[in-house]
Amino acid sequence: EAGVTQFPSHSVIEKGQTVTLRCDPISGHDNLYWYRRVMGKEIKFLLHFVKESKQDESGMPNNRFLAERTGGTYSTLKVQPAELEDSGVYFCASSQVDRGGEQYFGPGTRLTVT
Amino acid sequence: GQQLNQSPQSMFIQEGEDVSMNCTSSSIFNTWLWYKQEPGEGPVLLIALYKAGELTSNGRLTAQFGITRKDSFLNISASIPSDVGIYFCAGQLPPGSARQLTFGSGTQLTVLP
Repeated sequence: EAGVTQFPSHSVIEKGQTVTLRCDPISGHDNLYWYRRVMGKEIKFLLHFVKESKQDESGMPNNRFLAERTGGTYSTLKVQPAELEDSGVYFCASSQVDRGGEQYFGPGTRLTVT
Repeated sequence: GQQLNQSPQSMFIQEGEDVSMNCTSSSIFNTWLWYKQEPGEGPVLLIALYKAGELTSNGRLTAQFGITRKDSFLNISASIPSDVGIYFCAGQLPPGSARQLTFGSGTQLTVLP
């Protein structure tokens, strides 16, 4: 069974530019989460999809971040315009509906904003 | 929001030694999980705990869900070089609450040969 995949693995952009991150969850996992780890701190929640619906986006830092999950399959997270403080590692995780606690993480996208 | 206090922040141990790390919270969690992250990779799920008092093993790893539901510990026995990495605890609130995981700040483990 393929795991969670994320693209790209690294992205270096200038302040003010736009970046779109992609996550492909494990097939059949309706729950999809985005998390972020900044500057060696703890991993923090951004938002949660159940299928194509946003269940909880309380962790999104501001309106420069936009997440979508069209069709309930893969998800994208767009940052526009990027700021220096957006640098960090963005993780995607997925889980089955009845095993919500067991979340499986992708390798992450390391975003550097210069 | 919820916060998990994970300790120690880092550990340097000799190969073959046992390791213990723990997490505490002011909130009650319904699920405790332990993850390991290696450089360039995402966190990998090691153990999931669902019941207060539960003690679960996965090879040389043993984790327990505290009776108060506000803490958990992870033990690694007879450490080997490939145990190197960052270990994170994570908690999930009871059903009816938000479903995301709250993470501890991680324990960086270094195993010396």
